[in-house]
Parts: sequence; C-alpha cells; structure tokens
Amino acid sequence: EDQVTQSPEALRLQEGESSSLNCSYTVSGLRGLFWYRQDPGKGPEFLFTLYSAGEEKEKERLKATLTKKESFLHITAPKPEDSATYLCAVQAGGATNKLIFGTGTLLAVQP
Amino acid sequence: EAQVTQNPRYLITVTGKKLTVTCSQNMNHEYMSWYRQDPGLGLRQIYYSMNVEVTDKGDVPEGYKVSRKEKRNFPLILESPSPNQTSLYFCASYRQGYGYTFGSGTRLTVV
Repeated sequence: EDQVTQSPEALRLQEGESSSLNCSYTVSGLRGLFWYRQDPGKGPEFLFTLYSAGEEKEKERLKATLTKKESFLHITAPKPEDSATYLCAVQAGGATNKLIFGTGTLLAVQP
Repeated sequence: EAQVTQNPRYLITVTGKKLTVTCSQNMNHEYMSWYRQDPGLGLRQIYYSMNVEVTDKGDVPEGYKVSRKEKRNFPLILESPSPNQTSLYFCASYRQGYGYTFGSGTRLTVV
C-alpha cells in the first residue's frame, strides 16, 4: 500500500537554528514527490517537486532532497515567518494523478 | 493570476440539507480533484476528474457527488450531509510539469 510518513509531528526551533524535516514513503512507481507549505486556514502552497533519487532543489532558506526511500526538507537559519505546517506528498504510478499526503510537520520558529 | 477559487469559505449546515461547494480554475487544466483534510489523517482524495464529463472516485467518495460539465468548474455536492462530513475541503487542479494548485479551502460544519 502506498504510504507517506512525516517526522517529527511538531518541531520548535529558535530563529537561526537549522534543522531538517523527514518524509519517508513507500509507493509503487514514484512519479514525483511534492513539498507544500500550509498556513492555518489556507490551502497548501507549492514549494518543490522532486522526481528522482539524488535530486535537490532550493528556495531561499529551504532545500529539498530525495532518496529512494525518503525526502528531507532542510531549513537553514529559519525565521519566524517560516512557521507553518509542511506537507509531503507522493504521486504514484498510474493514470489517476492522485497525491498521497503525509500528515505534516508543524514547525514553530521562535524569535 | 493563476488560481483555484472555492466558495463558500465557511459553511454551517444541518444534517440532511443538500449543499454544493463550488470550485473554479482559470489555468485551463484538464485534471481537477477534491480533497478533505482531517486532523491526524492528512489530506485524502474524494473524487477526481481527468477531463470534462470524466470523473472517478478517490479514496473517500462515500456521501459525495461531483460533476464536470465545463473544464473550469468542478463542484462538490453533498446530497444528505452528515456530521462525519464535517471537515476542511480543498479543490485542486493539476497539470503535468506544473504540479497541483490548491484553493483556499472550505470549512464545513454539519450539525
């Protein structure tokens, strides 16, 4: 069964304290792995798509990496405005285009 | 601006009273989908549509209906809402290579 597990469930950092969020997955025929940011009461906002093991993408203080079994979202020198829930999702093989989501990591960055 | 628009943002209704949540996208995407988000369960797909007049069930379709008469619109219909359908609902559209774009969400409460 296709499954996505994110850890930790919640993470509290001091401003400037770098860390990583983990997304482990089991999927038949990975078509893509997605990272989203979600603010309270809002829809998920696209951050990155990774397609193959070894791929890396960066955007400001965020860097996403992908292996055959997991993905990491590295946050370098975070700021309070980086506080949000970060969602990981995989798109499996087949024609449905369905995303299978993890339950997210709630990140709080304190000034 | 490329976007997915859902209405209403908030809705409180009574058990059994039919309701429709509208969704519209301006990106000319063929694929659209509905998700519900519940604490501890993450986002789960309700229904999806590959194109006009083509719809299919996702993982949690019970109690929901959809229609796709035009490419831009994909309404979600609850014929007889029940309290277990209280949730946060998101509409999304997708195009390969561009990823998913989500709406701002509809928070539904069924009493």
